[in-house]
Amino acid sequence: DIVMTQSPDSLAVSLGERATINCKSSQSLFYNSNNKNYLAWYQQKPGQPPKLLIYWASIRESGVPDRFSGSGSGTDFTLTISSLQAEDVAVYYCQQYYSRPPWTFGQGTEVEIK
Amino acid sequence: QVQLQQWGAGLLKPSETLSLTCAVFGGSLGDHYWSWIRQPPGKGLEWIGEINHSGSTSYSPSLKSRVTMSVDTSKNQFSLKLTSVTAADTAVYFCARGGTSDSSNFYPEYFRHWGQGTLVTVSS
Repeated sequence: DIVMTQSPDSLAVSLGERATINCKSSQSLFYNSNNKNYLAWYQQKPGQPPKLLIYWASIRESGVPDRFSGSGSGTDFTLTISSLQAEDVAVYYCQQYYSRPPWTFGQGTEVEIK
Repeated sequence: QVQLQQWGAGLLKPSETLSLTCAVFGGSLGDHYWSWIRQPPGKGLEWIGEINHSGSTSYSPSLKSRVTMSVDTSKNQFSLKLTSVTAADTAVYFCARGGTSDSSNFYPEYFRHWGQGTLVTVSS
């Protein structure tokens, strides 16, 4: 199994400040033949299913505010919220879709307002 | 716009069989793989397995012995059965749309579309 490890488990950020979440995979998620990283980011709010934010490590899903960005390659990835808004309070998950079974998720990072 | 609507029994006793169904609206099952993912209360996401329109499946090794997935193309639905449930199977279960395949290749994808989730509680 590919193990996905996020850091930190939780973080508190002031409104308007930057939030950074890291995700490390136990093996590379980069596929040489198409030059893509098979890594997605999701946002989950209480009582809701996860919502896709970023795919192919850095492509923002349609309708997602541009304060959300993804970066990284290989085994190390980052989700950045450039200016935290109140509605961004949620749990964020990374997920690899490079190899299955199983598809695997990080343990989640809880973002709250300081 | 693809929408997934899921349903099934919400309260089970230990040793019973969990049964959930997910219907696809706004599109067909097509060439996609359709997944089940679960989330124990207050915990993270665990992928259970997936199935495509022709019934080809892939299951998580940790659950494979207890999982069966099926598809009904005439109703645009797919289903999950998990046997011999215990309290550890208590979770919110989600259905979701995954990757695609053709006659010779599989194309992995992220989960763009999700069902609303069904809380399944296992308790005596």
